[in-house]
Amino acid sequence: GAVVSQHPSWVICKSGTSVKIECRSLDFQATTMFWYRQFPKQSLMLMATSNEGSKATYEQGVEKDKFLINHASLTLSTLTVTSAHPEDSSFYICSALQGRANEKLFFGSGTQLSVL
Amino acid sequence: KQEVTQIPAALSVPEGENLVLNCSFTDSAIYNLQWFRQDPGKGLTSLLLIQSSQREQTSGRLNASLDKSSGRSTLYIAASQPGDSATYLCAVGEAGTALIFGKGTTLSVSS
Repeated sequence: GAVVSQHPSWVICKSGTSVKIECRSLDFQATTMFWYRQFPKQSLMLMATSNEGSKATYEQGVEKDKFLINHASLTLSTLTVTSAHPEDSSFYICSALQGRANEKLFFGSGTQLSVL
Repeated sequence: KQEVTQIPAALSVPEGENLVLNCSFTDSAIYNLQWFRQDPGKGLTSLLLIQSSQREQTSGRLNASLDKSSGRSTLYIAASQPGDSATYLCAVGEAGTALIFGKGTTLSVSS
């Protein structure tokens, strides 16, 4: 199947700094990518939908100024956690849509963010 | 708004036992339903995908069923093995949109 590469796998940062997470579709073009967040023992919660060349659509309760999403090309979407705080510590995972039907959704391996 | 519930939240079984994981969803207007496996701190591995028009899918020791009208799906694991220990996630979605996930069932299979 298609491959979605997500980097970094884990990151530790100080409170107040910004962290960028990359999500790349390696062998297909993805006009749409999704970003999820998962707290321990919780479900994957959709944060935002990223569409190439346009502004991301954020879910209710997700601060768009804090979680900056850029989808500048058909193979790359980035999530930047700005001014990170300990409560932002979580597992972030992206998925890329190949084509239009969601049976062609491929997931990255996730990024564990720890904010000290 | 679609909600996905998985029962039980955790399950411990001895090796060799057959088991069933349950998933229910509130809005039956789904495009498909998928079961994933997630190992601690890792991404997702797709196990089975059932289209809304299908009743079940099988892959090796895994069998997933879908009753769309009642909003239920089950994942049946035959002859469980310690390597099956993981969290199993159920997710539903519409075409071209993000999947909605349940909280998962954490399975522990002891040898």
